[in-house]
Amino acid sequence: DTGVSQDPRHKITKRGQNVTFRCDPISEHNRLYWYRQTLGQGPEFLTYFQNEAQLEKSRLLSDRFSAERPKGSFSTLEIQRTEQGDSAMYLCASSPIVGNYGYTFGSGTRLTVV
Amino acid sequence: GESVGLHLPTLSVQEGDNSIINCAYSNSASDYFIWYKQESGKGPQFIIDIRSNMDKRQGQRVTVLLNKTVKHLSLQIAATQPGDSAVYFCAEKPSSNTGKLIFGQGTTLQVKP
Repeated sequence: DTGVSQDPRHKITKRGQNVTFRCDPISEHNRLYWYRQTLGQGPEFLTYFQNEAQLEKSRLLSDRFSAERPKGSFSTLEIQRTEQGDSAMYLCASSPIVGNYGYTFGSGTRLTVV
Repeated sequence: GESVGLHLPTLSVQEGDNSIINCAYSNSASDYFIWYKQESGKGPQFIIDIRSNMDKRQGQRVTVLLNKTVKHLSLQIAATQPGDSAVYFCAEKPSSNTGKLIFGQGTTLQVKP
């Protein structure tokens, strides 16, 4: 296991298009998190899953955003009708439920909306 | 080198010196804290963590100090190396009932050879 994997690394899309990102967590981690990071800022929490269940969503996650983790393994984050303000780095992280909470982040997907 | 006050966007230190990066957190109920290092184009990399029932934790060349009275967290890096140059973020878990982390503003550490 090489850590948290995210795909694609970069995505350029036209305004109004839909995009989907994928995250594969560390296999033994039950929790999976999505964050968004804009230039010069710290990551902002979007949502997280414990196994298949989506336990918490941020107010930042508008109705154009949806995240799924159907089998409790990989997760997808979809953004519909993208806007220029959606341009950011989308980060995925995973952690075990108990013990060391040391969340492990992936390298992120850089989204540019033109 | 040491950041003065609670937060400085950039800290510049000489190679071999010790660095201290400070962070003020917001929630007195936060029960867990993490320091991350982020290099350009990469995701945050875990450095060290500390639970709220501790006030100090040491790792390899790094030490985290927690002062709950003033809601202050610091990261000390011993014998700073050029490879330590990056942006450093502190993060807090605001309660035991959530898994999310709240990140602070980053501090850019520049190591001069």
